[in-house]
Amino acid sequence: GENVEQHPSTLSVQEGDSAVIKCTYSDSASNYFPWYKQELGKRPQLIIDIRSNVGEKKDQRIAVTLNKTAKHFSLHITETQPEDSAVYFCAASIKGNFGNEKLTFGTGTRLTIIP
Amino acid sequence: DGGITQSPKYLFRKEGQNVTLSCEQNLNHDAMYWYRQDPGQGLRLIYYSQIVNDFQKGDIAEGYSVSREKKESFPLTVTSAQKNPTAFYLCASSMFAGYGTDTQYFGPGTRLTVL
Repeated sequence: GENVEQHPSTLSVQEGDSAVIKCTYSDSASNYFPWYKQELGKRPQLIIDIRSNVGEKKDQRIAVTLNKTAKHFSLHITETQPEDSAVYFCAASIKGNFGNEKLTFGTGTRLTIIP
Repeated sequence: DGGITQSPKYLFRKEGQNVTLSCEQNLNHDAMYWYRQDPGQGLRLIYYSQIVNDFQKGDIAEGYSVSREKKESFPLTVTSAQKNPTAFYLCASSMFAGYGTDTQYFGPGTRLTVL
């Protein structure tokens, strides 16, 4: 089955610096890669996603890059702020039964922004 | 994602009891999903449903059961066969159930504790 590895598991950066989280996936057929942010005790919230027909997508301070050849994708957060502190999850789509698709999630990265 | 509700927010179960977690959505989404979240393990898929009266097992279905009698409802039963049910349970839904993964939106979660 699909395997998604996420690194690092914890990350601390000074406020204003950039943060990068990386994920690798095993299924070359995967074509959808979302990133979710989860604050303590809350539901995961989609922050950005990318499909396999593009290599990069940006939304203000957040960007995601995808390297299909190497089967890895990364989340980049610039000009970090205290409210960016949370756990971030990557995910990759995989084929389920009957041609439908489902997501496999990474194990998460706890990002702490140091004021 | 305000259109997905889960109840109760907290649930306590005694050994040997079955309990049912509720998930309702008013987004007219076709697909619904149940995930289990344990510390350091990300989100793992329990069951998912692409259409009414149909559902498929995810990666950790043993000890759980579901039904999908209505499009807006996807209850999860944690049976006594599930040996380690203490976890945070998240329900999600997405608009399109067919080919091509669509964005999943999460409910607020139910925290289940076995006494």
